Amino acid sequence: GENVEQHPSTLSVQEGDSAVIKCTYSDSASNYFPWYKQELGKRPQLIIDIRSNVGEKKDQRIAVTLNKTAKHFSLHITETQPEDSAVYFCAASMGSNYQLIWGAGTKLIIKP
Amino acid sequence: EADIYQTPRYLVIGTGKKITLECSQTMGHDKMYWYQQDPGMELHLIHYSYGVNSTEKGDLSSESTVSRIRTEHFPLTLESARPSHTSQYLCASSGGFEAFFGQGTRLTVV
Repeated sequence: GENVEQHPSTLSVQEGDSAVIKCTYSDSASNYFPWYKQELGKRPQLIIDIRSNVGEKKDQRIAVTLNKTAKHFSLHITETQPEDSAVYFCAASMGSNYQLIWGAGTKLIIKP
Repeated sequence: EADIYQTPRYLVIGTGKKITLECSQTMGHDKMYWYQQDPGMELHLIHYSYGVNSTEKGDLSSESTVSRIRTEHFPLTLESARPSHTSQYLCASSGGFEAFFGQGTRLTVV
């Protein structure tokens, strides 16, 4: 079955610097890759996603890149701010009729 | 407002008690899920459903059961609560690719 590995488990960056979180997946049939943000005490929420027919997608300070050949995708956050502190989860799916397979999460700490 | 509602938000219960965690969604989604998550940690899928009268077990072994008699309702039942069940339980639903989560039930078994 599908397996998703996420690194690092904890990432500490200086406010204003960039942060990169990486995930690898095992099933080449996967075609949907979302990223969720979970703030302390709150529910996970989708922040950005990418389909397998696209190599990169941006939304203001966040971007996701996908390398289908290497079977990995990454979340990039530029100009980090205190409100970016949270746990970030990646996931992979083979389509809307299939369940999401989750990475283990990355705790992002923004240092003032 | 379309959302996913979980009750109770917090529950402290004694060992051996039977409990039901409620989850209802007003989003019209077919797919629903239950996850167990220690705060800030990995999401573990314990049950899922792709529609009425359809339920499947997830990857995490759990002494729990679910039912899906109505599209909008997906309750989780623990027949005999144990301290190892202490955790947060998140319900989610999906109508396509994106999953939407409820606010969770924080369960403590003493």
